[in-house]
Amino acid sequence: DAGVIQSPRHEVTEMGQEVTLRCKPISGHDYLFWYRQTMMRGLELLIYFNNNVPIDDSGMPEDRFSAKMPNASFSTLKIQPSEPRDSAVYFCAARTGAAEAFFGQGTRLTVV
Amino acid sequence: AQSVTQPDIHITVSEGASLELRCNYSYGATPYLFWYVQSPGQGLQLLLKYFSGDTLVQGIKGFEAEFKRSQSSFNLRKPSVHWSDAAEYFCAVGHQAGTALIFGKGTTLSVSS
Repeated sequence: DAGVIQSPRHEVTEMGQEVTLRCKPISGHDYLFWYRQTMMRGLELLIYFNNNVPIDDSGMPEDRFSAKMPNASFSTLKIQPSEPRDSAVYFCAARTGAAEAFFGQGTRLTVV
Repeated sequence: AQSVTQPDIHITVSEGASLELRCNYSYGATPYLFWYVQSPGQGLQLLLKYFSGDTLVQGIKGFEAEFKRSQSSFNLRKPSVHWSDAAEYFCAVGHQAGTALIFGKGTTLSVSS
């Protein structure tokens, strides 16, 4: 398995534009997590899914953020409209049972 | 509330010297504990984990960690640091299957020659 795959690796967009980040989790891992990493706040959990169903989205900062998992192989995190303070590295991670979480390489988002 | 504290933001160690990175957690039940390493521009890689049993756990790259329930600590150690160990290290805590891991703010390790 290639591990958790995220795309794009880098995204630069203008304020007000819609941004979509993508994640392909590891096959058979039934939990999927979206984290955001910034210097100031470290790694923050945004939302997580179990068997494609959102379980906890209390970390989503605002209504501008939304996430979907239409099937076991794909998830998206969308920001609309984007703002400069959304600039961060966004990680997707997969987990099964009580095992460790496996992380993707991340998407570095810059909103100018 | 669940939380993880890594008291040291930045540590510099000479190559060949020993290393200890501190981690304290606050958790209402028996924790599952993890250490991850992140190199610049990369994702997080698991170094080691503790679920139960022997409180001294061995990981990859020569790292080990010791769980001390009385001190709510899970410190990471390495007897001899290599220049390639320079990276950011994260301690994390989780519980039952499927819950999200809670991460500390991380400790940046620099290695001097």
